[in-house]
Amino acid sequence: AQSVAQPEDQVNVAEGNPLTVKCTYSVSGNPYLFWYVQYPNRGLQFLLKYITGDNLVKGSYGFEAEFNKSQTSFHLKKPSALVSDSALYFCAGVSGTYKYIFGTGTRLKVLA
Amino acid sequence: DVKVTQSSRYLVKRTGEKVFLECVQDMDHENMFWYRQDPGLGLRLIYFSYDVKMKEKGDIPEGYSVSREKKERFSLILESASTNQTSMYLCASSQTPGLADTGELFFGEGSRLTVL
Repeated sequence: AQSVAQPEDQVNVAEGNPLTVKCTYSVSGNPYLFWYVQYPNRGLQFLLKYITGDNLVKGSYGFEAEFNKSQTSFHLKKPSALVSDSALYFCAGVSGTYKYIFGTGTRLKVLA
Repeated sequence: DVKVTQSSRYLVKRTGEKVFLECVQDMDHENMFWYRQDPGLGLRLIYFSYDVKMKEKGDIPEGYSVSREKKERFSLILESASTNQTSMYLCASSQTPGLADTGELFFGEGSRLTVL
């Protein structure tokens, strides 16, 4: 069965420190991979995507993600965390046309 | 700016009531989706539609139906609301991945439904 896993329910990081939010996938074929962010009582906002090409993908708000095919991972990273980055982050994959598969989400808390 | 608009941000309904959640997108997207979001369970797909009048069941269609009479509008219907349908409902749209678009989903702001 296809799946996307986010192994950490919550990640705490001090402001100014680098952050990583982990994602691994089991999606057939050549998947498209995405990261979304959700602020309280809001919908999901698109951050970045991997389609093909460079394994390091840059996105909105200074975030980037590294695609690693051998480890089937797509971790989200930022060199220097901000308090305003505190939110719920979702990793997702799609292979084929309609079946988007979401992880369960990771709550990021950036401490001042 | 692209937009997916959900008609109601917050609703409170009683058990047994019929509930309509409306979603409109202005991007001429082919695909539209309804998800529900519950803590610890992530997003679960209820129904999706890849064309007008077409619909496909997602992972948790029981207790729900949908309608897509026009390309831009996708409605979720709870025929007889129950307390276990209390949740956040998210509508999304996309172009088909692999065609002239990379297929990211665009989400509405969500509709938080409470069934008493």
